[in-house]
Amino acid sequence: DIQMTQSPSSLSASVGDRVTITCRASQSISNHLNWYQQKPGRAPELLIYAASSLQSAVPSRFTGSGAGTDFTLTISSLQPEDFVTYYCQQSHSTPGTFGQGTKVEIK
Amino acid sequence: QVHLVQSGAEVKKPGDSVKVSCKTSGYRFTMFYMHWVRQAPGQGLEWMGVLNPGGGATVYAQKFQGRVTMTRDTSTSTAYMELSSLTSDDTAVYFCARGKEVATIAPFDYWGQGTLVTVSS
Repeated sequence: DIQMTQSPSSLSASVGDRVTITCRASQSISNHLNWYQQKPGRAPELLIYAASSLQSAVPSRFTGSGAGTDFTLTISSLQPEDFVTYYCQQSHSTPGTFGQGTKVEIK
Repeated sequence: QVHLVQSGAEVKKPGDSVKVSCKTSGYRFTMFYMHWVRQAPGQGLEWMGVLNPGGGATVYAQKFQGRVTMTRDTSTSTAYMELSSLTSDDTAVYFCARGKEVATIAPFDYWGQGTLVTVSS
């Protein structure tokens, strides 16, 4: 199975800050990397697919980049509703493994 | 508008089976694969497997092989996930999620609300 390692596992930031979350795959996954946002008690929501494509209706402050084994999710200016948990997921091969999550907290 | 609505919470005993349903609307059910993902309390996300509603073919994660069965009823546009031989480790929220692409593994663009399955003696 492909292992996905996210870092950091948590971070503290302020409204308006720029933050970056990293996801590393244990082997090359081309651009088959997706990012999800999960609010407490809710299902995850797709933010970015194919490493850098913005899902419909997702604000443009979210951007994804990377290829091969190293990927990043950047939030350009944190809004109050962004202080939740983010997961990466590879869709290169089954099982579609997820990273362990990054919780973004208010400083 | 696409909707995935799951069945309600379940409480089961060790050794029991549970069957969770996922009723869909707003799109052609047979044209998109349906995946199942679970999340133990306070933990991350775990992919369980995928169902092709068109023909009924399935691919399961090796971890769940022999214990999970994914089926569908095309007349009601509903997908089902049954997990047997439950243990306390199976206590989790179970999600159905639609694959954005027609592929065994894909991004998940729509999700059900989740079904909490609690396994306790």
